[in-house]
Amino acid sequence: EVQLVQSGAEVKKPGESLKISCKGSGYSFTSFWIAWVRQMPGKGLEWMGTIYPGDSDTRYSPSFQGQVTISADKSISTAYVQWSSLKASDTAMYYCARRGPDGGNSGYDYWGQGTLVTVSS
Amino acid sequence: QSALTQPASVSGSPGQSITISCTGTSSDVGAYDFVSWYQQYPGKAPKLMIYDVDKRPSGVSSRFSGSKSGNTASLTISGVQAEDEADYHCCSYVGSLIRVFGGGTKLTVL
Repeated sequence: EVQLVQSGAEVKKPGESLKISCKGSGYSFTSFWIAWVRQMPGKGLEWMGTIYPGDSDTRYSPSFQGQVTISADKSISTAYVQWSSLKASDTAMYYCARRGPDGGNSGYDYWGQGTLVTVSS
Repeated sequence: QSALTQPASVSGSPGQSITISCTGTSSDVGAYDFVSWYQQYPGKAPKLMIYDVDKRPSGVSSRFSGSKSGNTASLTISGVQAEDEADYHCCSYVGSLIRVFGGGTKLTVL
């Protein structure tokens, strides 16, 4: 069974750093793109960026370039997104999602359960 | 890339057909047949309902269908049911392995 399991909720202060994770199982982690998606309270989904764990090829939305860093450790089938200096506006639910196989389903067919990040002084 | 444009809300009575639009540009929706749609219940993760404009993943009801004309993609729910009340999000490829979502549409079943 394909699963993406994300790390737990975080409460941080402005200026602090943070790294949240997404562990894949039940499939070949290195063969599928993983995306990170932000959902601010009461708002829509925002595509942040994506990584191919097989070779760590990473792409960012222009809106998130320079604001976050996406990485992966294929040895433990885990993808990450990190912030070096959080802002209150980073308060949101963050989802990881797996894109379907190349040449097949181009949608995000499996999603993590979400990680709630709260940034408040 | 700007977010794709979706109506904030749509509504329909049980049994009716409803359509949710997703308008982009000639650089995203109009350029690629890589539009997907997601259903999201409050407090839950999104679920893939349509991919590649008009394809349904295994297990998704045939009441859900997708289409595209020019720069606008559409999700149609035939015979809407109370259980379909949720938020719906579209997503399009924009090139260079980058994607963009729409603002989301809240479906209310009257």
